[in-house]
Amino acid sequence: DTEVTQTPKHLVMGMTNKKSLKCEQHMGHRAMYWYKQKAKKPPELMFVYSYEKLSINESVPSRFSPECPNSSLLNLHLHALQPEDSALYLCASSQNPGDRNTIYFGEGSWLTVV
Amino acid sequence: GQNIDQPTEMTATEGAIVQINCTYQTSGFNGLFWYQQHAGEAPTFLSYNVLDGLEEKGRFSSFLSRSKGYSYLLLKELQMKDSASYLCAVPPSGGSYIPTFGRGTSLIVHP
Repeated sequence: DTEVTQTPKHLVMGMTNKKSLKCEQHMGHRAMYWYKQKAKKPPELMFVYSYEKLSINESVPSRFSPECPNSSLLNLHLHALQPEDSALYLCASSQNPGDRNTIYFGEGSWLTVV
Repeated sequence: GQNIDQPTEMTATEGAIVQINCTYQTSGFNGLFWYQQHAGEAPTFLSYNVLDGLEEKGRFSSFLSRSKGYSYLLLKELQMKDSASYLCAVPPSGGSYIPTFGRGTSLIVHP
């Protein structure tokens, strides 16, 4: 199983809503990542979790709140988002933090903020 | 930090060979990744180069010159399904191997 599963695939939310994006992997990977990708732009790193602890936060606004309940799960809690936050949110994982091998991406969650 | 440059768009003919170039500047080098991303899909790993030279994987090859800060991805026997964005990624310095991506090259393969 080399899958990273993300739910929901599509999410529409208002600026006052609270919602969450979920990510799951069962490959035993100890590093998990959130990337944000706008149309026709490359993915931008948001957060990195290493052994279930937040190791990198790329100066992401606090309206995005990551959570790693266990080594297989990674959530991204969303609150008071802005329309410009509409994007594809990609979860990824790798065997180890600092692993020079493959990072596996999920299919992403398309977020629209209205 | 790092600076990555690659062409925005390229076109090629089915069955041909295409070379996608990437130049980078980084204060510390931890290798270079190439990813493929089809429209509306997640990026998929193609290659990782940390030593100079050419690495071949079937129809795809990746080349690295560390002294020149230069890499290319070579695609042979192009197929229509190769139409995608090709992302060059260089981890930042500081011992991290986490790829941060260049803007990507959109490759269009036509019959």
